[in-house]
Amino acid sequence: GALVYQYPRRTICKSGTSMRMECQAVGFQATSVAWYRQSPQKTFELIALSTVNSAIKYEQNFTQEKFPISHPNLSFSSMTVLNAYLEDRGLYLCGAPDRNNNQAPLFGEGTRLSVL
Amino acid sequence: QQQVRQSPQSLTVWEGETAILNCSYENSAFDYFPWYQQFPGEGPALLIAIRSVSDKKEDGRFTIFFNKREKKLSLHITDSQPGDSATYFCAASGGTNAYKVIFGKGTHLHVLP
Repeated sequence: GALVYQYPRRTICKSGTSMRMECQAVGFQATSVAWYRQSPQKTFELIALSTVNSAIKYEQNFTQEKFPISHPNLSFSSMTVLNAYLEDRGLYLCGAPDRNNNQAPLFGEGTRLSVL
Repeated sequence: QQQVRQSPQSLTVWEGETAILNCSYENSAFDYFPWYQQFPGEGPALLIAIRSVSDKKEDGRFTIFFNKREKKLSLHITDSQPGDSATYFCAASGGTNAYKVIFGKGTHLHVLP
């Protein structure tokens, strides 16, 4: 079946440092990958939508300078949170649609970022 | 502006009852509506989805009723089980970017045994 794996599941970083999270699509081709952040008491904030061979589109309040994304092939994507601070805490989710089945993205378990 | 709204914020039902979760949306261009189920500490899992050309989608105990004219939809969970206790998110996509999915804030469902 189609699955999305994210690594690491949890991470803690010091304020001002950076951390990288990875997303792997298994069993299908992830032509598009969406990165979301789920903060406490909030719903999902779309950070950016990445499509292979196209420019990455960042949502308002999110920038490439802060959340650089790499999407080098149809099975892998990574995102880095640069200079993380308390407001960057949350569950970072990678979602990719299995276009053979439907357009709704399948999500990984997420990377939970804590900032000290 | 919240493009996808969900109600109630929290819902408690007894085991065996039908839970009804409501969702409404603003953008007429939305044409695809997935529902996700999320347990604490886990990522959201795709539960069921409906396209705007349909008014009903059923999958086991889960049914989506869709009213395009009123821009409303609802998720019905029949014969609710304690294991259904989770947060349910209504989402929407469509228009110029079909892969941009907008989420509601979720409904916390508690099923009491």
